[in-house]
Amino acid sequence: NAGVMQNPRHLVRRRGQEARLRCSPMKGHSHVYWYRQLPEEGLKFMVYLQKENIIDESGMPKERFSAEFPKEGPSILRIQQVVRGDSAAYFCASSEMVAGDATGELFFGEGSRLTVL
Amino acid sequence: AQSVAQPEDQVNVAEGNPLTVKCTYSVSGNPYLFWYVQYPNRGLQFLLKYITGDNLVKGSYGFEAEFNKSQTSFHLKKPSALVSDSALYFCAVRDRNTDKLIFGTGTRLQVFP
Repeated sequence: NAGVMQNPRHLVRRRGQEARLRCSPMKGHSHVYWYRQLPEEGLKFMVYLQKENIIDESGMPKERFSAEFPKEGPSILRIQQVVRGDSAAYFCASSEMVAGDATGELFFGEGSRLTVL
Repeated sequence: AQSVAQPEDQVNVAEGNPLTVKCTYSVSGNPYLFWYVQYPNRGLQFLLKYITGDNLVKGSYGFEAEFNKSQTSFHLKKPSALVSDSALYFCAVRDRNTDKLIFGTGTRLQVFP
């Protein structure tokens, strides 16, 4: 059973370009979370999605950032018009959620490291 | 709001000695608490969790954690540290209203030979 798959592992963009980060959850998991980690810092929650629904996007910057988790295919975190401050590691996690049960752990991918020149 | 605090940025310990990485929590109701480890340039790996039941929780790689309700703590422990335990350790709490996992700032563990 493959774990959470993220690609690309490394991405370099120039200021003003777009970055697309992809995440395929573990098989059977229907809940995806995106976190951002700045160098030498902890993980900050960005967004929580279920298939075709955004459940909580309270950690997403209001501009330039968007996320989706379509019925088919991976979850996508999209950053438009990147700036140097977007340079970070972006982690995706998935969980097998049972309604009303928040006891399960999240399984993390290896991360996508974005560098903005 | 649910939160966890890791008061130590770094913990240094000699190989073979016991180690403790501290975590305190602030939650309403009964907490769901987790520990994760992150090796350089890798994702987070789940170590253990406390949901209910025994206050001493055993996890991966010989780690355990003790839930203490009166002190609102969930410290990570290991009886005998290995050099390979050197990594970044994160305590986290699950917000049962939003299902989010909220992380502490992390503690870097350095085990010296």
